[in-house]
Amino acid sequence: DIQMTQSPSSLSASVGDRVTISCRASQDIRNFLGWFQQRPGKAPKSLIYAASYLQTGVPSNFSGSGSGTDFTLTISSLQPEDFATYYCEQYHTYPPTFGQGTRLE
Amino acid sequence: VQLQGSGGGLVQPGGSLRLSCVGSGFTFSTSAMSWVRQAPGRGLEWVSAISVTGGSTYYADSVKGRFTISRDNSRNTVSLQMSGLRPDDTAVYYCAKGSQCGTYCFDYWGQGIRVTVSS
Repeated sequence: DIQMTQSPSSLSASVGDRVTISCRASQDIRNFLGWFQQRPGKAPKSLIYAASYLQTGVPSNFSGSGSGTDFTLTISSLQPEDFATYYCEQYHTYPPTFGQGTRLE
Repeated sequence: VQLQGSGGGLVQPGGSLRLSCVGSGFTFSTSAMSWVRQAPGRGLEWVSAISVTGGSTYYADSVKGRFTISRDNSRNTVSLQMSGLRPDDTAVYYCAKGSQCGTYCFDYWGQGIRVTVSS
């Protein structure tokens, strides 16, 4: 299985900050990568697919980049509702696998 | 788009449980569906997927032979029959919808169904 490694595992930030979360795949996954946001006690919400495309309705302060093995999720200006846990997922190779999560607090 | 799950609860080790997820607001019969779970305090783990017709099914090694996924497109429902349950199956189970970018490229998630396996 492809291993997805996120860094950092947790991150402290403030409203208005710009933050970047990294995700590394154990092998080349081209751009078959998604990002998800999960608030405490809630279901995941899809943010980005194909590494850099925003899902419908996702605010433009979210962006994604990368290809191959290294990817980043950037939040350009943190809003109060953005404090959550973020997961990456590769869907290039079966089975799909997720990163361990990055808690933004 | 809504995915409404049901069927969770407390079950003893070795027992069985059936989860269901009803989709609305999209063409269910053209969407692959998956189940993804999250153990307490842990990350996300893909569990099972089913093709649009139900003709192809896929399982994580951790549940193969114990769980069965199925769908009824006439009722916009995907189900997960779980048997031989173990304490490490304790988790919140989410149904997730595949999208144009792929079976495992999830765009919408259900609200989650809590399953507790304990004596």
